[in-house]
Amino acid sequence: AQTVTQSQPEMSVQEAETVTLSCTYDTSENNYYLFWYKQPPSRQMILVIRQEAYKQQNATENRFSVNFQKAAKSFSLKISDSQLGDTAMYFCAFMIRAGNMLTFGGGTRLMVKP
Amino acid sequence: GAVVSQHPSWVICKSGTSVKIECRSLDFQATTMFWYRQFPKQSLMLMATSNEGSKATYEQGVEKDKFLINHASLTLSTLTVTSAHPEDSSFYICSASQGGYEQYFGPGTRLTVT
Repeated sequence: AQTVTQSQPEMSVQEAETVTLSCTYDTSENNYYLFWYKQPPSRQMILVIRQEAYKQQNATENRFSVNFQKAAKSFSLKISDSQLGDTAMYFCAFMIRAGNMLTFGGGTRLMVKP
Repeated sequence: GAVVSQHPSWVICKSGTSVKIECRSLDFQATTMFWYRQFPKQSLMLMATSNEGSKATYEQGVEKDKFLINHASLTLSTLTVTSAHPEDSSFYICSASQGGYEQYFGPGTRLTVT
């Protein structure tokens, strides 16, 4: 079974600064998908970024980028130029293959301070 | 595109009654739908996976006779909480998949059992 661990229950960052959220996972599979989801106070799950394990290049989406270390089974999220709207719960998630379930980490509550 | 709706968004019911939650994919056909449960300040836990026309697959520890899932069409899945009790109060989230790596989440349903 796959497990996903987020070791930072809460984090805060000043507006316009950079913050990194950590995620580690455990699997014996070689190909899989990793995701970061954002859950704002509305509780709607929003996909932030996705990484395919077979791709060595780290995924980037505007201010959001990941540091994917496959050997270390680490998948951290970097948010640059933090904005007040980034305040939310962030969940790291694992999918063993397309169409399958997501396994979520425990989440990190991020507060962006003005 | 890829919008998933849930109805109702919030429901209050008395202990011992049953309540049905609908999950609809509005602009695509979902081969698989997933039901998650989220307690306050916690992560999403998968309850069951449902494929159209098939019986749902429940995660360990989830009572299938209590949480009835029906996936009658490619655009509709329902979760019925039977004989609800206060401990069933939670936030229920569905997601829909077309078989790829993308999962589209509904906005969630808050269930309060009094």
